[in-house]
Amino acid sequence: ILNVEQSPQSLHVQEGDSTNFTCSFPSSNFYALHWYRWETAKSPEALFVMTLNGDEKKKGRISATLNTKEGYSYLYIKGSQPEDSATYLCASSPYGGSQGNLIFGKGTKLSVKP
Amino acid sequence: DAMVIQNPRYQVTQFGKPVTLSCSQTLNHNVMYWYQQKSSQAPKLLFHYYDKDFNNEADTPDNFQSRRPNTSFCFLDIRSPGLGDAAMYLCATSRDLGQHYYTFGSGTRLTVV
Repeated sequence: ILNVEQSPQSLHVQEGDSTNFTCSFPSSNFYALHWYRWETAKSPEALFVMTLNGDEKKKGRISATLNTKEGYSYLYIKGSQPEDSATYLCASSPYGGSQGNLIFGKGTKLSVKP
Repeated sequence: DAMVIQNPRYQVTQFGKPVTLSCSQTLNHNVMYWYQQKSSQAPKLLFHYYDKDFNNEADTPDNFQSRRPNTSFCFLDIRSPGLGDAAMYLCATSRDLGQHYYTFGSGTRLTVV
């Protein structure tokens, strides 16, 4: 059974702080790593899909890195804003697994105080 | 805007009374998924359809069934809901299998009384 672990479980920061959190996943049979942002009462929103070791992706103030050999990904938010408050989910898609099966972590809940 | 729509947003059902959750999409995506997320847990895949091809996860209880009558609609049927089935149910679509982005609905929160 594959486990995707995210840390921390929750995070409280002040507006303007930069923050980061971690997703760890089994490095064997790795295929793709997904990051989603899920705001309360809304749909989870896709942020990144990453496949290559060393890959780094950026979307505005949010960026992510990927290390497939050691099985982790970091998500960074620069200059956090209250609208960044959400749960950030990562999910691993294993090669050879049930095709299309994203295995999710429990998420990191970010709260940004004005 | 093209999107994935789930109805209803909240559903309350009685213990043992069959319930159906609905998902529709305007994206014309090939794949539709149903995920279950219980409190403080990670979303867990129940099953997915690739076009009309149904794929059930090995540990999905028999109590859960799904129907996809056409490309746009997919239903989750819970034949005899138990208290342990209370959860957020998320529907998602993707253009194809693999590393494509998923598009999620906003979920249906099911309460069993």
